[in-house]
Amino acid sequence: GAVVSQHPSRVICKSGTSVKIECRSLDFQATTMFWYRQFPKQSLMLMATSNEGSKATYEQGVEKDKFLINHASLTLSTLTVTSAHPEDSSFYICSAEGGTGDSYNEQFFGPGTRLTVL
Amino acid sequence: KNEVEQSPQNLTAQEGEFITINCSYSVGISALHWLQQHPGGGIVSLFMLSSGKKKHGRLIATINIQEKHSSLHITASHPRDSAVYICAVSNRGSNYKLTFGKGTLLTVNP
Repeated sequence: GAVVSQHPSRVICKSGTSVKIECRSLDFQATTMFWYRQFPKQSLMLMATSNEGSKATYEQGVEKDKFLINHASLTLSTLTVTSAHPEDSSFYICSAEGGTGDSYNEQFFGPGTRLTVL
Repeated sequence: KNEVEQSPQNLTAQEGEFITINCSYSVGISALHWLQQHPGGGIVSLFMLSSGKKKHGRLIATINIQEKHSSLHITASHPRDSAVYICAVSNRGSNYKLTFGKGTLLTVNP
């Protein structure tokens, strides 16, 4: 199946710093990428939907100025957590929609990034 | 009531047992997805279904569109199958955003 990578896999930072997480579709072009957040023992929660070349669509309650999303190409989307605080500590996962043939519109998930803000 | 309901929430089995996890949904969908999340957090997409049945190795997924119900079966379960299994649905009208069930924690004991 199609492969999606995320970088970094784990990051620890001090409160007030900004952290950038990259999501790449390695062998297909992703028309849409999604960013999710997951707190311990909870379901994934969609943060935003990102389409290449246009502004991301944020879910209710997600601050667009705090979670900056850039989808500069069909294979790369970035999420920047600005001025991170301990409550932003979470597991961030991206998925990319795309593929070929009958797998089109399937979502392929990245391995996730665990963010810890001290 | 959640739009996607899974049962059971927790399931413990002995190695070799046949496992069934159920998913019911209350909205119109374009596709239903079964996902696997291991303790490390990474998510693997197991199946995407819009009708009928799919099989991959020891895993079988079925969907009944009229009844708005899907099942994930694992034959000859193994301890490495221990994970959280998540049912999610997507709809073309909402730009294919996924709506997730709460997951089923499966533990397979040797």
